[in-house]
Amino acid sequence: GAGVSQSPSNKVTEKGKDVELRCDPISGHTALYWYRQRLGQGLEFLIYFQGNSAPDKSGLPSDRFSAERTGESVSTLTIQRTQQEDSAVYLCASTRSWGNEQFFGPGTRLTVL
Amino acid sequence: RKEVEQDPGPFNVPEGATVAFNCTYSNSASQSFFWYRQDCRKEPKLLMSVYSSGNEDGRFTAQLNRASQYISLLIRDSKLSDSATYLCVVNNGSNYQLIWGAGTKLIIKP
Repeated sequence: GAGVSQSPSNKVTEKGKDVELRCDPISGHTALYWYRQRLGQGLEFLIYFQGNSAPDKSGLPSDRFSAERTGESVSTLTIQRTQQEDSAVYLCASTRSWGNEQFFGPGTRLTVL
Repeated sequence: RKEVEQDPGPFNVPEGATVAFNCTYSNSASQSFFWYRQDCRKEPKLLMSVYSSGNEDGRFTAQLNRASQYISLLIRDSKLSDSATYLCVVNNGSNYQLIWGAGTKLIIKP
């Protein structure tokens, strides 16, 4: 079956612009995570969605970051007024429920000039 | 102290050798432990879960030491294709957040 997909695969933007990243999880996976990975670093938790429950946004680094998910389907991560320090790979993962194996998408490589 | 700590390496190991690395975690309430593998510029993929009794999958053996709060990964008869970064992952106590180590880079040389 299809895995987790993310788009775009690469995004180059100018400082101050807004960007929107998309994640399509595996069908039937109720949980969805967004992570950020800077070069040579581990994964930094951003936000977690579980079904129709309120998302855990505790990892979002600033109010410029927001994410939405409709039911158990597509999720979008929006970064407003991008800064150079936002440059990283943004990874999305889905799982049947928390504590289980996370399946990752290929990531979106964001470069802010 | 970081919540999950790993030696960043790189570990340069000849093909066929055995290599082991550890990962320490700070939250004594953690219940779920995993090793993920990440190839260069690729997404992480699950290598194996780590069970209390330890577990083995082919050339790979994972162990958990709750008293000292670390998990280990042993790779026997290493292959060139084992070259990757190995990420240690621990759940944040009783909740769903997974805390990721920065990874240990392994380079297998012919």
